[in-house]
Amino acid sequence: DTEVTQTPKHLVMGMTNKKSLKCEQHMGHRAMYWYKQKAKKPPELMFVYSYEKLSINESVPSRFSPECPNSSLLNLHLHALQPEDSALYLCASSHIGRNTEAFFGQGTRLTVV
Amino acid sequence: QKEVEQDPGPLSVPEGAIVSLNCTYSNSAFQYFMWYRQYSRKGPELLMYTYSSGNKEDGRFTAQVDKSSKYISLFIRDSQPSDSATYLCAMSYSGGSNYKLTFGKGTLLTVNP
Repeated sequence: DTEVTQTPKHLVMGMTNKKSLKCEQHMGHRAMYWYKQKAKKPPELMFVYSYEKLSINESVPSRFSPECPNSSLLNLHLHALQPEDSALYLCASSHIGRNTEAFFGQGTRLTVV
Repeated sequence: QKEVEQDPGPLSVPEGAIVSLNCTYSNSAFQYFMWYRQYSRKGPELLMYTYSSGNKEDGRFTAQVDKSSKYISLFIRDSQPSDSATYLCAMSYSGGSNYKLTFGKGTLLTVNP
């Protein structure tokens, strides 16, 4: 199993809503990542979890709140988002120190209205 | 100067052509060099990665790294319509802090039947 599964595939939410994005992998990877990708732009790193602990936060606004409940799951909780937060949110995973072989999920396409 | 420069294209070639995709970079600390393929509305898929300088071949794909020139290339032989996608180069540092991938902007490739 070399898949990273993200749900939902699409999400439309209002600026006052609270929603969560989910990511799951069963490759035994202990590093998991959230990236944000705007149209025609490269992915931008948001957060890195290492051994289920947050190790990197790339100065992401607090309206994005990550959570890693166990070694297979990664969540991204969303609250009070702005329309400019609309993007493709990508989850990735890798072995520790091996981001050169990171596997990406298909992404959640988020639209904030 | 951006850390990684990649011509966004678009690049359009006939089926069977040899495709050359390139990135330049400014940070000599980069040690790992990756190429990702991203189909429209999908997550990036790792094609190849190379450590330091040299060539690496995998089927129709060849990756080259020239650290002295800070220049990397991906060659696709006998290109197929299914190769039509955006190709992203990515780079990272070596050592324990190599969590962050720095991506190029991506090159949109279309292979015409």
